[in-house]
Amino acid sequence: DAKTTQPTSMDCAEGRAANLPCNHSTISGNEYVYWYRQIHSQGPQYIIHGLKNNETNEMASLIITEDRKSSTLILPHATLRDTAVYYCIVRVAGDSSYKLIFGSGTRLLVRP
Amino acid sequence: EPEVTQTPSHQVTQMGQEVILRCVPISNHLYFYWYRQILGQKVEFLVSFYNNEISEKSEIFDDQFSVERPDGSNFTLKIRSTKLEDSAMYFCASSGDQPQHFGDGTRLSIL
Repeated sequence: DAKTTQPTSMDCAEGRAANLPCNHSTISGNEYVYWYRQIHSQGPQYIIHGLKNNETNEMASLIITEDRKSSTLILPHATLRDTAVYYCIVRVAGDSSYKLIFGSGTRLLVRP
Repeated sequence: EPEVTQTPSHQVTQMGQEVILRCVPISNHLYFYWYRQILGQKVEFLVSFYNNEISEKSEIFDDQFSVERPDGSNFTLKIRSTKLEDSAMYFCASSGDQPQHFGDGTRLSIL
């Protein structure tokens, strides 16, 4: 699996957009980009994933660069409950049994 | 929204004892996983399970560990003879076609 690089920590003000970057310069053509988050000691929560097109759901937007070497997770209006560790993970497509490899993630602090 | 449920939320066990952690995956999912997270460390993959057999396991998943899907709804992780270093949060996950969904974990404390 391609490795990912994320900033160790970030912060943003409540109500503002949180933009979390991820570098995955060695990503292969058949690898998806997944984002999960972990609030305190809860289980990782799935946020969004994409292959090459930008994606949006009720939680977030995922912007993937044209060369697919980096992506940005956008939380459009961050709330205090969005304070968590955010993980960017790349995973081979087409193999549903494939494990997720978690890095250290980005610790996002949303300030009041 | 369907979710993965794990029991118990906290398990305290004496070193050397056997422990079974239980998970009820999302009902139409076919792929099942166990991960663990030692306090302050990364989430680590243990094992994946499909069609009643192990698909992949990590180096952590040694002979002390086993998994089972005994009745078509539960998915269990057994640790045969627990060690102090087995103390961790254990997360079960399941998936259908794509994203894995995780339970809230069992905190295992070995005394």
